[in-house]
Amino acid sequence: ELKVEQNPLFLSMQEGKNYTIYCNYSTTSDRLYWYRQDPGKSLESLFVLLSNGAVKQEGRLMASLDTKARLSTLHITAAVHDLSATYFCAVDMWGDFGNEKLTFGTGTRLTIIP
Amino acid sequence: EPEVTQTPSHQVTQMGQEVILRCVPISNHLYFYWYRQILGQKVEFLVSFYNNEISEKSEIFDDQFSVERPDGSNFTLKIRSTKLEDSAMYFCASSDGGVETQYFGPGTRLLVL
Repeated sequence: ELKVEQNPLFLSMQEGKNYTIYCNYSTTSDRLYWYRQDPGKSLESLFVLLSNGAVKQEGRLMASLDTKARLSTLHITAAVHDLSATYFCAVDMWGDFGNEKLTFGTGTRLTIIP
Repeated sequence: EPEVTQTPSHQVTQMGQEVILRCVPISNHLYFYWYRQILGQKVEFLVSFYNNEISEKSEIFDDQFSVERPDGSNFTLKIRSTKLEDSAMYFCASSDGGVETQYFGPGTRLLVL
């Protein structure tokens, strides 16, 4: 059974600081997704990482994937209050019928303090 | 920009009642999914649907649950006899398969009393 773990579960950081969220998964997969969720809202797709060594950047967020270590990171640079949200990584399990399901991590609740 | 829509946004029901949650996936997508999120917890996969049949389902998706694509646009999740533990946010998602991400709808918050 695929397990996806994130750490930390909670992160409180000051504006302007840098930090990294880690996502580990237990079985081979070369597709990993990062989503953002604001309180009471849906999941917004941030990044799609499709191969070993993939790196994607959007604004102050950068995501990377190491399939050999089964590890993805989401790096936040010079955090601003607008980035406060819960961040989920999700691993794709490709089945007989294609893109069958995402297995989500536990989520990291990020709070940016002014 | 195309988006997944869901109705209703909130539903309150009595234990034992049937509920139907509705979704309109993105129009050219071929793969459809239901997930749920109990308050404060992670998102859990329920079922995937492709070519008018279930392609995979989780242990949560027992005989009380069913999905249907009654026409060319809607995708529904039915819970036949709701239990208290079915209270959660239910998300519909769709994708065009391949490597594209799944796009999530705004969710239906279900409360079973």
